[in-house]
Amino acid sequence: DAKTTQPPSMDCAEGRAANLPCNHSTISGNEYVYWYRQIHSQGPQYIIHGLKNNETNEMASLIITEDRKSSTLILPHATLRDTAVYYCIVILTGTASKLTFGTGTRLQVTL
Amino acid sequence: EPEVTQTPSHQVTQMGQEVILRCVPISNHLYFYWYRQILGQKVEFLVSFYNNEISEKSEIFDDQFSVERPDGSNFTLKIRSTKLEDSAMYFCASRGTYYEQYFGPGTRLTVT
Repeated sequence: DAKTTQPPSMDCAEGRAANLPCNHSTISGNEYVYWYRQIHSQGPQYIIHGLKNNETNEMASLIITEDRKSSTLILPHATLRDTAVYYCIVILTGTASKLTFGTGTRLQVTL
Repeated sequence: EPEVTQTPSHQVTQMGQEVILRCVPISNHLYFYWYRQILGQKVEFLVSFYNNEISEKSEIFDDQFSVERPDGSNFTLKIRSTKLEDSAMYFCASRGTYYEQYFGPGTRLTVT
């Protein structure tokens, strides 16, 4: 699975959009980008995933660059409850597809 | 909304004792996983399980660990002889249609 690089921390004001970047320059053509988050010591929570098209669901939007070497998770209106560590993980589906967690980005949403 | 559940939420055991951590995955899922997270460290993959067999395991998952699906709903992780370094949060997960994984709330294992 391709390695990912994320900034260690980011701040965002409540109500503003949080844009979390991820670099995955070695991604291969059939690997997907998945985003999870972990709020304090709770179990990781699935957010969204994509292959090459932009995706949106009730939680977030995922923008993947045309060359697929990077992506951005967008939380359109961040709230204090979105304070968490966000993980960008690239996996090859069709296998056991274990998740390899890095250190992620610690997003702090402030008033 | 269906969710993964885990019991107990906190388990305290003495070194050398056996522990069994229990999970109830989402009912129509077929792939199950265990992960652990030592305090302040990354979430680490332990094992994946499909069709009543281990499909992949990590180096952490040695002979002291075993997994079982004893009936149609439970998925268990057994540690035969616990060590101090087994103290961690243990997360169970099950996999959905699009390979997304849904995690339980975790069991905090404390080995004294």
